[in-house]
Amino acid sequence: QKEVEQDPGPLSVPEGAIVSLNCTYSNSAFQYFMWYRQYSRKGPELLMYTYSSGNKEDGRFTAQVDKSSKYISLFIRDSQPSDSATYLCAMSPNSGGYQKVTFGTGTKLQVIP
Amino acid sequence: EAQVTQNPRYLITVTGKKLTVTCSQNMNHEYMSWYRQDPGLGLRQIYYSMNVEVTDKGDVPEGYKVSRKEKRNFPLILESPSPNQTSLYFCASSFRRGGQETQYFGPGTRLLVL
Repeated sequence: QKEVEQDPGPLSVPEGAIVSLNCTYSNSAFQYFMWYRQYSRKGPELLMYTYSSGNKEDGRFTAQVDKSSKYISLFIRDSQPSDSATYLCAMSPNSGGYQKVTFGTGTKLQVIP
Repeated sequence: EAQVTQNPRYLITVTGKKLTVTCSQNMNHEYMSWYRQDPGLGLRQIYYSMNVEVTDKGDVPEGYKVSRKEKRNFPLILESPSPNQTSLYFCASSFRRGGQETQYFGPGTRLLVL
């Protein structure tokens, strides 16, 4: 079993829809949770970064962490065609510094105009 | 301009011929990392470095070496490349303070080992 599981999609939604992207994980040591967006033929870019459980909002993006269920989500409100990309979740343990980072395989999102 | 640069961007080589992929960042970040990306497997961490002379293995370190002699540079060395190291490689640097993280990825190096 992989430490981080993510549905590869593809996920197609109409413009303006609310998108929900999810990951599950098995390692209880994970404390930092990240979401990345990767456009085709580009490097990933960090979208959201959260520590431990709870919600974090940044514009149209909301990251949610439920440590009791080992489940994280990224919500995109009012989705736009420019949001079409692959979204990767990532996690790392808390050691007071940086440690190994484990990624999900990514979900490909297409927002249809 | 804040950036992470990688060289070369594209490389075709043969099995066993040692190669180095360079990575350099201009942001004075302490943390740097190397990843490979393969279809269906996503991004997997190869090595990471928390500061000069401090490196550690990620999930897939076999067949790779790294060094961190200067803060800005973090080269990835393949001593004897094999076809299963054909992949897209990304270098990244990060800075984390007060609950905020800033991170930059390089543009990627596409490697083909024949």
